Amino acid sequence: GAGVSQSPSNKVTEKGKDVELRCDPISGHTALYWYRQRLGQGLEFLIYFQGNSAPDKSGLPSDRFSAERTGESVSTLTIQRTQQEDSAVYLCASSLGFSGTELAKNIQYFGAGTRLSVL
Amino acid sequence: AQSVAQPEDQVNVAEGNPLTVKCTYSVSGNPYLFWYVQYPNRGLQFLLKYITGDNLVKGSYGFEAEFNKSQTSFHLKKPSALVSDSALYFCAVRVRNYQLIWGAGTKLIIKP
Repeated sequence: GAGVSQSPSNKVTEKGKDVELRCDPISGHTALYWYRQRLGQGLEFLIYFQGNSAPDKSGLPSDRFSAERTGESVSTLTIQRTQQEDSAVYLCASSLGFSGTELAKNIQYFGAGTRLSVL
Repeated sequence: AQSVAQPEDQVNVAEGNPLTVKCTYSVSGNPYLFWYVQYPNRGLQFLLKYITGDNLVKGSYGFEAEFNKSQTSFHLKKPSALVSDSALYFCAVRVRNYQLIWGAGTKLIIKP
C-alpha cells in the first residue's frame, strides 16, 4: 500500500492481558515512530527506530511496553499486563529518516492508529 | 525545557472569515516547525513546515503559517475558512534525531 498501515484498528481487552499492535511503514522509509494519544491530548512519543541503529526507547512509560522492528519493515508494539490507563489511540508514523532532502526526511506520515480500550 | 504550546483548546470561526490557530515554542537552536491536521477517524496529515528561508510558508488546502523568531511563534492561518477545514490541528517542533514534540492540539470548528 501507499500509506502507513496499522492493525488492528480497534482493540478491546481485559485488564491484565497482553496486546500486540502492528505497524507497516511506507516502503523505503527507514525511520519509524510510535506515539500514544490519550483522549483530548497531544501525541506522546514512545519509541523511535532508525534503520539498524539501536532504537530510542526513552518515551516508553514502563517496562510493560516494548517494541520491535525487523530491519526497515514491520514493527510491533507490545503492552504486557494492560492497565486501564493504557487506553488510548496508538499511532505509528514513518519517514525517510536520513535519506532524502532536508524537508523530506523530516515529514512523518501517520497511520490511522489503533484504538485500545482496556476494560 | 523544550516545549510546544497551543493556548487554545478550541477555535470557532464563521465560514468565509479568516482563521488563526496559535502555536508558540521553546527550543534551543534554530527550530524546525510543523503543522499537522487530524480529521475524525483518520491519521495525522502533514500540512506545512518551516525549516529555513521565508518566514511565511504556504502549505496544503490554502493554509499558511508565519514564523516569528522574536515571539517564538508559528501561527497557522487561512484567509477564508471552509466548513471542511473543521478538524484537530497540531503544532510540532523537531528536537533530536528527527523526533517531534507536539502541542496538545486545537479543535477548529467552522460554522456555516
